[in-house]
Amino acid sequence: EVQLVESGGGLVQPGGSLRLSCAASGFTFSSYWMHWVRQAPGKGLVWVSRINSDGSSTSYADSVKGRFTISRDNAKNTLYLQMNSLRAEDTAVYYCARVGFLHYYFDYWGQGTLVTVSS
Amino acid sequence: QSALTQPASVSGSPGQSITISCTGTSSDVGGYNYVSWYQQHPGKAPKLMIYDVSNRPSGVSNRFSGSKSGNTASLTISGLQAEDEADYYCSSYTSSSPWVFGGGTKLTVL
Repeated sequence: EVQLVESGGGLVQPGGSLRLSCAASGFTFSSYWMHWVRQAPGKGLVWVSRINSDGSSTSYADSVKGRFTISRDNAKNTLYLQMNSLRAEDTAVYYCARVGFLHYYFDYWGQGTLVTVSS
Repeated sequence: QSALTQPASVSGSPGQSITISCTGTSSDVGGYNYVSWYQQHPGKAPKLMIYDVSNRPSGVSNRFSGSKSGNTASLTISGLQAEDEADYYCSSYTSSSPWVFGGGTKLTVL
């Protein structure tokens, strides 16, 4: 059974940092591109970042470029999102999601982890 | 990258059919057959319902179908059931972002 379990969310002050993790199981993690998608309270889904299967290529939404860094450890079957210079508008539930090679849809999602940026 | 345009809400009675539209541009919906649809119940993670415009993943009811014409994609749910009440989001690969979502549509089953 495919499982994606996020962790690392919490309350952080504006300007602070946080690292999210997404532990994967039930599939060959190193074969899949992985993404982070966020959802502000009461709002819609917004794509944040993606990383290819071996970690050599990344992409970011303009709103987080230069502040967030996506990475992965295929030996640990874990995806990460390092978030720096956090702003109030980064407050959201952060989901990790899987995309198959040469596929263009998110077939499995984690349950999400809440990040709250507030003083 | 602007979000794809969806109606804020739709409603229907049990047994009826409803359609949710998703309008983009030639750089996303119109330019690729990579539109997908997700169902999200309150407090839950999104679930893939349709991929590549009109394909259903294994386990998704055949009451759900997808289509596309020009820059607008559509999700149709036939034989509405109470459990279909949820938020629905479309998504498309784009030439820029490279992924974009719609603003979401709240489906109410009357």
